[in-house]
Amino acid sequence: QLQLVESGGGVVQPGGSLRLTCAGSGYTFSSHAMYWVRQAPGRGLEWVAIISYDGSDIYYADSVKGRFTISRDNSKNTLFLQMNSLKEEDTALYFCAKSAWLWVGSGSYIENWGRGTLVTVSS
Amino acid sequence: DIQMTQSPSSLSASVGDRVTITCRASQSTTNCLNWYQQKSGKAPELLIYAASSLQSGVPSRFSGSGSGTDYTLTISGLHPEDFATYYCQQSYSIPYTFGQGTKLEIK
Repeated sequence: QLQLVESGGGVVQPGGSLRLTCAGSGYTFSSHAMYWVRQAPGRGLEWVAIISYDGSDIYYADSVKGRFTISRDNSKNTLFLQMNSLKEEDTALYFCAKSAWLWVGSGSYIENWGRGTLVTVSS
Repeated sequence: DIQMTQSPSSLSASVGDRVTITCRASQSTTNCLNWYQQKSGKAPELLIYAASSLQSGVPSRFSGSGSGTDYTLTISGLHPEDFATYYCQQSYSIPYTFGQGTKLEIK
């Protein structure tokens, strides 16, 4: 069945870097746009980034723009989030999520979610 | 950015009740409005997309309506498993912002 499995979370000091990975299986990974969404402890959901099925179209939330990079390797059914210059406010559970669509345009919605990987930024 | 405001932020109800959660956008989202359910300690799950389309496998007691800037999620006849937090999300304009959530608790 369809699975999205995140990994790469952990504890990092402010200013540090982490690379999150999401492995997709049970569906045609290369036919769907992908998201990263995060949730700070006890808080609501925050949209972080989106990438089209082929990686040609990418967008970020202002809060992470210039620090985070979303990418994908369709040959390995894997989504990535490179996080640099981390701040304490980046502490959150990071979810990988699959779009119902190929593209990132209006009307897109999240069909499936992973369980998340926890990132803690603390000195 | 489009701001999404849900009301109420929390709600107490009983099994069997009919409940309505409202989501208001700061500008029209042209029916590009989705609803998700998140149970404690779990990942969110899609309930409704495009304002009123029921996701496959979701019970028919869940329904969505609305247009423009105002949308509602209705649960007709609460089941014990429906007590959770509900989020709306607009997917009209990037960034695809979420509402702050509505926590539905047992009365």
